[in-house]
Amino acid sequence: QSALTQPASVSGSPGQSITISCTGTSSDVGSYNLVSWYQQHPGKAPKLMIYEVSKRPSGVSNRFSGSKSGNTASLTISGLQAEDEADYYCCSYAGSSTNWVFGGGTKLTVL
Amino acid sequence: EVQLVESGGGLVQPGGSLRLSCAASGFTFSSYEMNWVRQAPGKGLEWVSYISSSGSTIYYADSVKGRFTISRDNAKNSLYLQMNSLRAEDTAVYYCARVDDAVVVAAFDYWGQGTLVTVSS
Repeated sequence: QSALTQPASVSGSPGQSITISCTGTSSDVGSYNLVSWYQQHPGKAPKLMIYEVSKRPSGVSNRFSGSKSGNTASLTISGLQAEDEADYYCCSYAGSSTNWVFGGGTKLTVL
Repeated sequence: EVQLVESGGGLVQPGGSLRLSCAASGFTFSSYEMNWVRQAPGKGLEWVSYISSSGSTIYYADSVKGRFTISRDNAKNSLYLQMNSLRAEDTAVYYCARVDDAVVVAAFDYWGQGTLVTVSS
């Protein structure tokens, strides 16, 4: 199973909004509303930011939102803050044989 | 507070074996599905293996099938990964990660801090 496709990097200025795309196939992103997004700061464990395409776990800022259209999911971060600078990974459930597939990761730089 | 603490990583020669452990606390371990996810140095995340809450259902990524064995001891609140026939490409930080299908369906809601496995001669 190939990894989901994410842009290697995105950037934005404080206060701006950015969107990270995550393209899969009809076997993963397109088949299940089970896309999740993770934030990872250098040297730290990943942190769940979005699950089931657009739901936020308790404690995650409402500046983070998710959506999906066809085989592509997206993470939008509004009102960029310096602490949002991190790597972001999408993940999709892909059925009981493949289970989970991750994207290659996107490095977000806050200018 | 939910805590997952991995241990057992280290340097091992190609073809060697290693057993990772993940000690869980702060939640009813026996009620949750668990996974191993790894991250090669400077690379992205890769799902490795899944085990159901009872241990009756297990899945592996193709890259480790036949070489790695996941298991759990609910009495000891512990998750394990037995890694045999290790290859250089298995070098990574290995994370244990919880799935709470009752709340965050098919997503990893808590992660350990990771343990580094280095396969090199």
